[in-house]
Amino acid sequence: LAKTTQPISMDSYEGQEVNITCSHNNIATNDYITWYQQFPSQGPRFIIQGYKTKVTNEVASLFIPADRKSSTLSLPRVSLSDTAVYYCLVGDTRNNQGGKLIFGQGTELSVKP
Amino acid sequence: EAQVTQNPRYLITVTGKKLTVTCSQNMNHEYMSWYRQDPGLGLRQIYYSMNVEVTDKGDVPEGYKVSRKEKRNFPLILESPSPNQTSLYFCASTPLGISTDTQYFGPGTRLTVL
Repeated sequence: LAKTTQPISMDSYEGQEVNITCSHNNIATNDYITWYQQFPSQGPRFIIQGYKTKVTNEVASLFIPADRKSSTLSLPRVSLSDTAVYYCLVGDTRNNQGGKLIFGQGTELSVKP
Repeated sequence: EAQVTQNPRYLITVTGKKLTVTCSQNMNHEYMSWYRQDPGLGLRQIYYSMNVEVTDKGDVPEGYKVSRKEKRNFPLILESPSPNQTSLYFCASTPLGISTDTQYFGPGTRLTVL
């Protein structure tokens, strides 16, 4: 199964773009890459998911290179409320061969005024 | 309202006293999963279930049991809790199929084993 590695922490300032990279060298063909956000004392919340190239939604963008061995979550113009832990998840729950999911250890993002 | 509920939210118990943490979802999701979260270790999957009567081990299944008799419920059972099972536990569910497999997480259960 793909093990994921992320930076432990990152600092940023309000209004800046933040990029958090996750490496998943052993990602399988069927695996998707999903990012979650977690605030203290709450369950993780879905941000974005992708399989390859680029995905964008109203919250973030996800960049996945052709070899899929890493992915980068991009948060445009962060605010103080984006201070949270961000988790990268690799896995595939879509078929009976999959089901096991591996979270990274999380990146603690601190946004300062 | 679509949600995943867990009970209890907080529990303090003693070593060896059997306990069950319930998890229920009202979204008719096939896939359900339990995680534990510990400082510095992130979220680790304990068990998951692809559907009713189908369960499988995650990364840290030792000391835990689960059952999936109904689609909506996925209880986590600690037959003989030990202090190293003190942790924050999350239940999650997701639909299977071609739509996004976003996981919906419950609010968490903070367990302390003395």
